[in-house]
Amino acid sequence: EAQVTQNPRYLITVTGKKLTVTCSQNMNHEYMSWYRQDPGLGLRQIYYSMNVEVTDKGDVPEGYKVSRKEKRNFPLILESPSPNQTSLYFCASSWKVQGVGETQYFGPGTRLLVL
Amino acid sequence: AQSVAQPEDQVNVAEGNPLTVKCTYSVSGNPYLFWYVQYPNRGLQFLLKYITGDNLVKGSYGFEAEFNKSQTSFHLKKPSALVSDSALYFCAVRVSSGTYKYIFGTGTRLKVLA
Repeated sequence: EAQVTQNPRYLITVTGKKLTVTCSQNMNHEYMSWYRQDPGLGLRQIYYSMNVEVTDKGDVPEGYKVSRKEKRNFPLILESPSPNQTSLYFCASSWKVQGVGETQYFGPGTRLLVL
Repeated sequence: AQSVAQPEDQVNVAEGNPLTVKCTYSVSGNPYLFWYVQYPNRGLQFLLKYITGDNLVKGSYGFEAEFNKSQTSFHLKKPSALVSDSALYFCAVRVSSGTYKYIFGTGTRLKVLA
C-alpha cells in the first residue's frame, strides 16, 4: 500500500530532551516536507527537501533540524524541544512533476506535547 | 508578502444545499493552487488543484473550484452538500515553480447539518 508513515504517532516529552520523529514514504517520491499544525494558524511548513542531501527552510524552521540521507526517509529532529513546539506534525511527499503542481501525500500526523 | 487567506473559520450549510469555502491568495507569478481536506484524527487528503487552463477545476467527491485571477481567489464549491463533507478544509499555494515551498491557509471548518 502506498503510504507515508510517521513514528511515533503520539509523544510526550520534557523540555530539552532531544527527540526524532521519523517519516518514511514507499512511493519513490523525490520531494518531502514537514509541517506543523496549530489551531488558528493552519499548516506551516518547517523544512522541505527536493532531493537526497538537499534540504531548505520553510516558514518556521527555528528549533528544528532535518536530514535526507536516503530518498525514502526524512526525519525531523528537535535538538532541545521547548513547550512552544507542542503541536501536531505532518510529513508529506510528492513526485517531481515538471511544469505542474505536485500533489502532496500526507502522513497520519504526530502529536507532540513538550512539558 | 506571499499569503493565503481563508476568511471564514467555519461554514455551516444544510444538507443538500450548495456550499462555498472561500480562499484568496497573494503570490508573485503564476500560482499553483490546491485544496486539501482533513477529517478528524486523520492526515490531509488532496481534493483538487489548479495549475493552468480551464478556470473551473473538478476534483474528488464532487468538489470543484473556480480560479479567478482578477480577484486572486480560488473558492471551493459543491452543488449539493453531504453530512459526510463535514471536515476541515485547507487552501494552499505553491510559492514558486523552483521550490517545494508551500503556504497554507488557516483552514475552514465545514459543518453540514442534516
